[in-house]
Amino acid sequence: KAGVTQTPRYLIKTRGQQVTLSCSPISGHRSVSWYQQTPGQGLQFLFEYFSETQRNKGNFPGRFSGRQFSNSRSEMNVSTLELGDSALYLCASKDHDNEQFFGPGTRLTVL
Amino acid sequence: GESVGLHLPTLSVQEGDNSIINCAYSNSASDYFIWYKQESGKGPQFIIDIRSNMDKRQGQRVTVLLNKTVKHLSLQIAATQPGDSAVYFCAESSSGTYKYIFGTGTRLKVLA
Repeated sequence: KAGVTQTPRYLIKTRGQQVTLSCSPISGHRSVSWYQQTPGQGLQFLFEYFSETQRNKGNFPGRFSGRQFSNSRSEMNVSTLELGDSALYLCASKDHDNEQFFGPGTRLTVL
Repeated sequence: GESVGLHLPTLSVQEGDNSIINCAYSNSASDYFIWYKQESGKGPQFIIDIRSNMDKRQGQRVTVLLNKTVKHLSLQIAATQPGDSAVYFCAESSSGTYKYIFGTGTRLKVLA
């Protein structure tokens, strides 16, 4: 089986712009979670989707949003980018068990 | 490669020795715990997990110990190898929340 894939792998944006990141889960996995990883804050939970429904979200401003499609692929969007949004954004998928499989991440740099 | 933490606690061990990485978790309602390994430039990789109805679980060269009384989790790696060098994270979750809370991470350096 192919692993979790994320596109793009690297992205450079300027303050005020918006960005959309994409995640394709492992085939058959219906749960997709997003995390932000920074040196200062570590790995922080953004949101989790299952069958196109957001089941939980972390403590992030409304500028961070996401969605999941019927094929379980997910996207996250960050609007009005700030310098502090520079981070590695990780997507993880899982099936009915609890084991999460992570993708390689998208490195976002905001200038 | 990716920097996963500039100020992480670091554990340095000699190749062939055993490593013990510790983690304190915060939520007494957490009932599922996982250890992840993250190498530079990669996403976290699952190592081993344990549920709250157990206090020990063994895998290949790894053992996880759970002490619910003091909310402490540890990862033991036997016969540490250079390929074990990475950042290790513990994560906790509680049923029905669909979220994982990650610890700050520990960098493991294996000395030849």
